[in-house]
Amino acid sequence: QQNVQQSPESLIVPEGARTSLNCTFSDSASQYFWWYRQHSGKAPKALMSIFSNGEKEEGRFTIHLNKASLHFSLHIRDSQPSDSALYLCAAPNNNAGAKLTFGGGTRLTVRP
Amino acid sequence: SVLLYQKPNRDICQSGTSLKIQCVADSQVVSMFWYQQFQEQSLMLMATANEGSEATYESGFTKDKFPISRPNLTFSTLTVNNARPGDSSIYFCSSRGLGGRNTLYFGAGTRLSVL
Repeated sequence: QQNVQQSPESLIVPEGARTSLNCTFSDSASQYFWWYRQHSGKAPKALMSIFSNGEKEEGRFTIHLNKASLHFSLHIRDSQPSDSALYLCAAPNNNAGAKLTFGGGTRLTVRP
Repeated sequence: SVLLYQKPNRDICQSGTSLKIQCVADSQVVSMFWYQQFQEQSLMLMATANEGSEATYESGFTKDKFPISRPNLTFSTLTVNNARPGDSSIYFCSSRGLGGRNTLYFGAGTRLSVL
């Protein structure tokens, strides 16, 4: 059974800062990993995913994955107030991969 | 991608009553998942619903308390039986889109308050 943990629980950063969110998982056989973002009062929405060890960049967002360390992270460059949201990391919780287990979430607030 | 429409958006009910949440997809999907989320916390998978078979429930969730129907490939309902204040949370239906490489898409959610 997959166990996904996130840190920190909450984070307040100034506009323009670089933000780092962390996630650990327990199942070393996991193949792919996700970050979801949920603005207040809205549904979660997939932000980025990664399937291979290393780094993936999309605009201001970068995911790092280290399967050996059972760790992946999300980095936000030049953080904006619109990035303020609940960030949820996720990993598959079975070999079929259809189900996702989510971490506890990191509440990010970007101050103007 | 897949669009999922949930209704109602929110509901208020008395303890001991039952309520039903509907989820409609804009295209056929194999599996629908129901998640529970307490106040801005993690998403907890409740159950997986496939057409024509009984829903599969995760630990802590039961068929008697949260019966789920999946009559066809675009529709599912979640019922909350004998609602209690502890059931007050947001319920999301979700599904993978075709070719989405396991991307989960979520409905807008149903915010339930049990008095």
